[in-house]
Amino acid sequence: GEDVEQSLFLSVREGDSSVINCTYTDSSSTYLYWYKQEPGAGLQLLTYIFSNMDMKQDQRLTVLLNKKDKHLSLRIADTQTGDSAIYFCAENTPLVFGKGTRLSVIA
Amino acid sequence: GAVVSQHPSRVICKSGTSVKIECRSLDFQATTMFWYRQFPKKSLMLMATSNEGSKATYEQGVEKDKFLINHASLTLSTLTVTSAHPEDSSFYICSAVGQGVLGGNTIYFGEGSWLTVV
Repeated sequence: GEDVEQSLFLSVREGDSSVINCTYTDSSSTYLYWYKQEPGAGLQLLTYIFSNMDMKQDQRLTVLLNKKDKHLSLRIADTQTGDSAIYFCAENTPLVFGKGTRLSVIA
Repeated sequence: GAVVSQHPSRVICKSGTSVKIECRSLDFQATTMFWYRQFPKKSLMLMATSNEGSKATYEQGVEKDKFLINHASLTLSTLTVTSAHPEDSSFYICSAVGQGVLGGNTIYFGEGSWLTVV
């Protein structure tokens, strides 16, 4: 079956890097996604990575994919208070989401 | 833990008919629910935000008269696709805002509903 696991909570200081990890189970996933949800708002797609890629960088965001270990990570460089939110990774179609990692940024 | 149930998981309807999808929070009250749509091989798209007791807030480009959302109680939101067309065939998923395990709000997702319009 499909299952996506994430740690529930992460706290970092402003200016530091944040790394949010995710493990998934479906090796046939073509795309893997990172979504962000700010308080009271709907889900926003942050970035995604194709399964044939190891890394994708988009400004402050870096996604690393280890297909062998079925491990996906999202690194946010120079974390800001505006990055405080819940981050969800998701695999496959239809989407299977993890439960989300709550990122708190301490000023 | 909190569970969001979506029903039906799969539905096939004829072109021109309407179909209703339900989203229920089973063990918590959700004042806010979200409806998403996913096109084949595409990412999730937020359609609307459903608030209990008030009108839904639709995202740009989503036809409110076509996708009727009713959030009549704190545990139920419904999405009705009216006068369905084959291009409405998609995967629809809801989510509900509830109490997180560490306090504060978190979001729980339904299992999703596959709609096929023939």
